[in-house]
Amino acid sequence: EDQVTQSPEALRLQEGESSSLNCSYTVSGLRGLFWYRQDPGKGPEFLFTLYSAGEEKEKERLKATLTKKESFLHITAPKPEDSATYLCAVEGDSNYQLIWGAGTKLIIKP
Amino acid sequence: DTEVTQTPKHLVMGMTNKKSLKCEQHMGHRAMYWYKQKAKKPPELMFVYSYEKLSINESVPSRFSPECPNSSLLNLHLHALQPEDSALYLCASSEVGHPGGTQYFGPGTRLTVL
Repeated sequence: EDQVTQSPEALRLQEGESSSLNCSYTVSGLRGLFWYRQDPGKGPEFLFTLYSAGEEKEKERLKATLTKKESFLHITAPKPEDSATYLCAVEGDSNYQLIWGAGTKLIIKP
Repeated sequence: DTEVTQTPKHLVMGMTNKKSLKCEQHMGHRAMYWYKQKAKKPPELMFVYSYEKLSINESVPSRFSPECPNSSLLNLHLHALQPEDSALYLCASSEVGHPGGTQYFGPGTRLTVL
């Protein structure tokens, strides 16, 4: 069964304290792994799409990496405005249907 | 431009009302989606339109009726909703025929059913 598990559920960091969020997945025929950021009451904001193991993408303080079993979202020297819920999703053999993780709530304290 | 717009931002309706949610995108995407999201949960797929035709209906109750008038617009008609239908309703779009294509989401409509 296709499945996505994100850890930790919540992460509290001090401003400037780097860390990583994990997304473990089981899917038949990975077509894409997606990272989104979601602020309370708003729609998910697209961050990255990764397609194959070994791929890495960066945007400002964020870097996403992908292996055959998991993806990491590394956040370097975070700021309070990075506080949000980070969602991971994968697309397998079922076109258009994303399998979602439950998300990691990230809180950055000044 | 990767913008998907949704109106209204907030909607309060009684269980006997009829209302509609609207979504628009100008990215040339030919796949459009409706999702429902409850608090502290990931989005839950409701409907997928591909080339203006309904291609996926995730066994959603008939009180939700989607419509895709053209390639840029997507509507969700609501009738006789229940309080448990209160949620954030999200629209998204993506390219068709592109496995692993990124879905871009709108800001959502916060629906409250009294």
